[in-house]
Amino acid sequence: DTAVSQTPKYLVTQMGNDKSIKCEQNLGHDTMYWYKQDSKKFLKIMFSYNNKELIINETVPNRFSPKSPDKAHLNLHINSLELGDSAVYFCASSPPQGPRFNEQFFGPGTRLTVL
Amino acid sequence: GNSVTQMEGPVTLSEEAFLTINCTYTATGYPSLFWYVQYPGEGLQLLLKATKADDKGSNKGFEATYRKETTSFHLEKGSVQVSDSAVYFCALGRNSGGSNYKLTFGKGTLLTVNP
Repeated sequence: DTAVSQTPKYLVTQMGNDKSIKCEQNLGHDTMYWYKQDSKKFLKIMFSYNNKELIINETVPNRFSPKSPDKAHLNLHINSLELGDSAVYFCASSPPQGPRFNEQFFGPGTRLTVL
Repeated sequence: GNSVTQMEGPVTLSEEAFLTINCTYTATGYPSLFWYVQYPGEGLQLLLKATKADDKGSNKGFEATYRKETTSFHLEKGSVQVSDSAVYFCALGRNSGGSNYKLTFGKGTLLTVNP
């Protein structure tokens, strides 16, 4: 019973294509996040959603568009892929109020390679 | 702004050696502090956390103490095992109001433990 799942695990595509990465959590959390991890392992937040509402948008190019159809899902769509988009993308979620509200639970990551 | 600085890796140790990974932070107010661990090919997992000054977080033999006077949260373990080989991330968390809770990560430290 996976807590935070992402699909696909690997994604190889050509420059200029459009692709999507899906994320689902079955933890009952109401806040979800997307992070980008570069080749040097540096991890940076891209977006966060709370109850389907955008909360954090960290100056990410507008080619990246998150979509949250419901509290359990946060998908990431990327238009016109560029070489520099190659990275591992992690989805995460965190619970609402309570002692663990500031803890984030990460998915296994999606390795995107743009050729 | 908020930032986290952790010691550059990689760190290579023999089994049963003592581990210290240094982490210092810059933040306004009173952040919470975290150590996350990323095993090869996986997403990040919370290792331990501390939410106020002088708190000690501990888990799986790892410890870190929130030192406000030195703005530090160094990770220690008395006797490392091969299975501890991973990338370790120090992070600080701040609530900017409402559900806007943001983690800022350090650059990660790769630990390799040899038998």
